[in-house]
Amino acid sequence: DTAVSQTPKYLVTQMGNDKSIKCEQNLGHDTMYWYKQDSKKFLKIMFSYNNKELIINETVPNRFSPKSPDKAHLNLHINSLELGDSAVYFCASSPGWGGGSADTQYFGPGTRLTVL
Amino acid sequence: GENVEQHPSTLSVQEGDSAVIKCTYSDSASNYFPWYKQELGKRPQLIIDIRSNVGEKKDQRIAVTLNKTAKHFSLHITETQPEDSAVYFCAASRGGGSNYKLTFGKGTLLTVNP
Repeated sequence: DTAVSQTPKYLVTQMGNDKSIKCEQNLGHDTMYWYKQDSKKFLKIMFSYNNKELIINETVPNRFSPKSPDKAHLNLHINSLELGDSAVYFCASSPGWGGGSADTQYFGPGTRLTVL
Repeated sequence: GENVEQHPSTLSVQEGDSAVIKCTYSDSASNYFPWYKQELGKRPQLIIDIRSNVGEKKDQRIAVTLNKTAKHFSLHITETQPEDSAVYFCAASRGGGSNYKLTFGKGTLLTVNP
């Protein structure tokens, strides 16, 4: 009955490689997000999608490209990985509708990316 | 854009004491203020939230207060237990659906000593 799931949980790779992280939610939510949590635990939004449409794109290098094949999935592809990309990446989802509960965000378990 | 300041960055209390974490925000249009708890190695989990039409909300040992005029909100945990030890994040948003992002504070590491 996992609500928001991510794969893989851990990702260790070399600088310069390309990697993807996948996220799925079975909550029927319309909105999905990617967050980056750095070593100091700071949580910062990267992207949000609503019904497969890009809504929020924070100042993120264009090496990061999100893709939403349908509203239950939001993947993150990262090209030419750099040391500074090492972090925990969290996917989240929210209803995007329903008045007061529209904004409640539910997080996935996170993907710890280590770039060597 | 929105800026959320959170204090203190670390807080150590004895079991049974109360803990208070405070946040201020800059965007007067923000109207949704959630609090998340993140245990070590785990995902952030929503513990309580408040909207700007309410001044206080309680859920068992947890309460949140909001002062819209001063643009600050606080998390109060009473009768703390060791399992309350975690990083707590406040956040603010204009709310209203998918177009608005959550801006998080930098977190408070709460340690409850048995």
